[in-house]
Amino acid sequence: EAQVTQNPRYLITVTGKKLTVTCSQNMNHEYMSWYRQDPGLGLRQIYYSMNVEVTDKGDVPEGYKVSRKEKRNFPLILESPSPNQTSLYFCASSPTQGSEGNQPQHFGDGTRLSIL
Amino acid sequence: AQSVAQPEDQVNVAEGNPLTVKCTYSVSGNPYLFWYVQYPNRGLQFLLKYITGDNLVKGSYGFEAEFNKSQTSFHLKKPSALVSDSALYFCAVRDIPTNAGKSTFGDGTTLTVKP
Repeated sequence: EAQVTQNPRYLITVTGKKLTVTCSQNMNHEYMSWYRQDPGLGLRQIYYSMNVEVTDKGDVPEGYKVSRKEKRNFPLILESPSPNQTSLYFCASSPTQGSEGNQPQHFGDGTRLSIL
Repeated sequence: AQSVAQPEDQVNVAEGNPLTVKCTYSVSGNPYLFWYVQYPNRGLQFLLKYITGDNLVKGSYGFEAEFNKSQTSFHLKKPSALVSDSALYFCAVRDIPTNAGKSTFGDGTTLTVKP
């Protein structure tokens, strides 16, 4: 089954304790992206990757890191989490044809992070 | 910079009536427009897209959307709503070729269909 898998689905942690949210897709997609969803603010893009070893900032990259060493994986790293990073996070992927960007994204089921 | 506006937080319709969920956008280049739906505790699911060509786009579950370049709008429509259409709907835009990798989403519109 074609899917985007995020782990963990839920996490409660404390300020300053480094954490990683993993994202893996089995569709051989070049493009991957991370979003956060907050009430009243919709989805905001954190980082995206057009292909392996190519990453770029989205609209809200502060406090986050990403890496794209393999095509299928795109982990999101919070080096020193803070309470304002409490949110619902989504990973997504899509195929690309060059940089045309005309393909829809496939989303994971989300990771709910609570930072105390 | 690219942006998307969904002017209604909430849309309520009766089952069997037509529904419209509004979306307007702003881009520098050409817009690639998408509609997604989100059910509780799930990720977003793709409904339909406009890339080029016919201004009326048909998608999944009987939904359609009309691209209007002069009004910079991409409203989602369905002729006859079902209770099962109740969900959170997002409009999204990519600004091509200016920002091909960036996706901007609206704040979402909660659709409630009452029996």
